[in-house]
Amino acid sequence: EAGVAQSPRYKIIEKRQSVAFWCNPISGHATLYWYQQILGQGPKLLIQFQNNGVVDDSQLPKDRFSAERLKGVDSTLKIQPAKLEDSAVYLCASSPISDGRRAFFGQGTRLTVV
Amino acid sequence: RKEVEQDPGPFNVPEGATVAFNCTYSNSASQSFFWYRQDCRKEPKLLMSVYSSGNEDGRFTAQLNRASQYISLLIRDSKLSDSATYLCVPYTGRRALTFGSGTRLQVQP
Repeated sequence: EAGVAQSPRYKIIEKRQSVAFWCNPISGHATLYWYQQILGQGPKLLIQFQNNGVVDDSQLPKDRFSAERLKGVDSTLKIQPAKLEDSAVYLCASSPISDGRRAFFGQGTRLTVV
Repeated sequence: RKEVEQDPGPFNVPEGATVAFNCTYSNSASQSFFWYRQDCRKEPKLLMSVYSSGNEDGRFTAQLNRASQYISLLIRDSKLSDSATYLCVPYTGRRALTFGSGTRLQVQP
């Protein structure tokens, strides 16, 4: 079974630039999550989708972050404009059920903002 | 108080040692618990699930103390390959997982 695919694996941008990350969940998984993991910390939920609807985006900094999951499959997470403190690994996870207990993670995108 | 607290470590132990990590949680409504393992520069992967008082899987034992609101992970006969960060996840039934900051283990030859 193919896992959660993310791209790019690494990205370096200057502050105030824009960046987008892509995630392809495991086939058939209705629930998709984006997490931000800052060095030395655990993953922090940014947004959760159920199919193509947003379930929880309470911790998403909406002034600069946006995410979409058109057609309920792939998802993109965008940051515009980026700040230095956005440097982190952005992890996408998917789950076949809505309660998150069987979440599988992608390898993540490592973002460095300089 | 943080929702999940873990000793960040690192715990440096020799091969073959027994090591235990504790995790305290603040939400008494937590129904189940997970330990995730995260290797350096890799994604988190589920190690163990705990739904009652504890769980055992080979060299790994998780024990839950609901009265004191902590969960522990015991690793017996440590291997070099056990070196990783161990993330505690108390689950309240909300839809997404809330992770602790993790405890780093370094097993030395």
